Amino acid sequence: QSALAQPASVSGSPGQSVTISCTGSSRDVGGYDYVSWYQKHPGKAPQLIIFGVTNRPSGVSPRFSGSKSGNTASLTISGLQPEDEADYYCDAYTSSSTWVFGGGTKLTVL
Amino acid sequence: DVRLVESGGGLVQPGGSLRLSCAASGFDFNGYTLAWVRQAPGKGLEWVSSISSSSSFIYYADSLKGRFTVSRDNAESSVYLQLSSLRVEDTAVYFCARENWDLTFDSWGQGTLVTVSS
Repeated sequence: QSALAQPASVSGSPGQSVTISCTGSSRDVGGYDYVSWYQKHPGKAPQLIIFGVTNRPSGVSPRFSGSKSGNTASLTISGLQPEDEADYYCDAYTSSSTWVFGGGTKLTVL
Repeated sequence: DVRLVESGGGLVQPGGSLRLSCAASGFDFNGYTLAWVRQAPGKGLEWVSSISSSSSFIYYADSLKGRFTVSRDNAESSVYLQLSSLRVEDTAVYFCARENWDLTFDSWGQGTLVTVSS
């Protein structure tokens, strides 16, 4: 199972919006609405920020939003803040009852 | 609060074995699937294995080729990952994660570092 495709890096200035894409296939991203996004700071545990493509866990800022079209899911972060600088990973449930993660995207807040 | 605490990592030679543990607390352990996810140095997250609440369903990443074995003890609220025939490329931080009914990993441990080196 190949990793889902994410851009290696994105950047934006404080207050701007950025979007991170996550491309898979009909066997994972496109086949189910079980796509999640995680924020990870170096040396820390991943933190769930989006599940079920569009849902935010309690306590996660509404600045984080998710969407999906076909085999590509997207995470949008609006109103960028310095603390948003981190690595972001998508994952998806697959037709083999397994999981596949994206390669990760490093977000830099300029 | 949900708490997952991994242990058992360390330095091991290529070809060696190691058993990782994950102790859970703060939730009904018997009702959840648990998973292991790893992150090699400078690399992304990689799903390793999942085990259902009653151990009836167990899945592994194809890349492991039968070298790893997951198990759990519901009486001890713990999940384990037996690593065998270890390779240098298995060097990683291994995280334990809880899978909830929305098929997402909603809680994670801090991870335990496994270093495979001669």
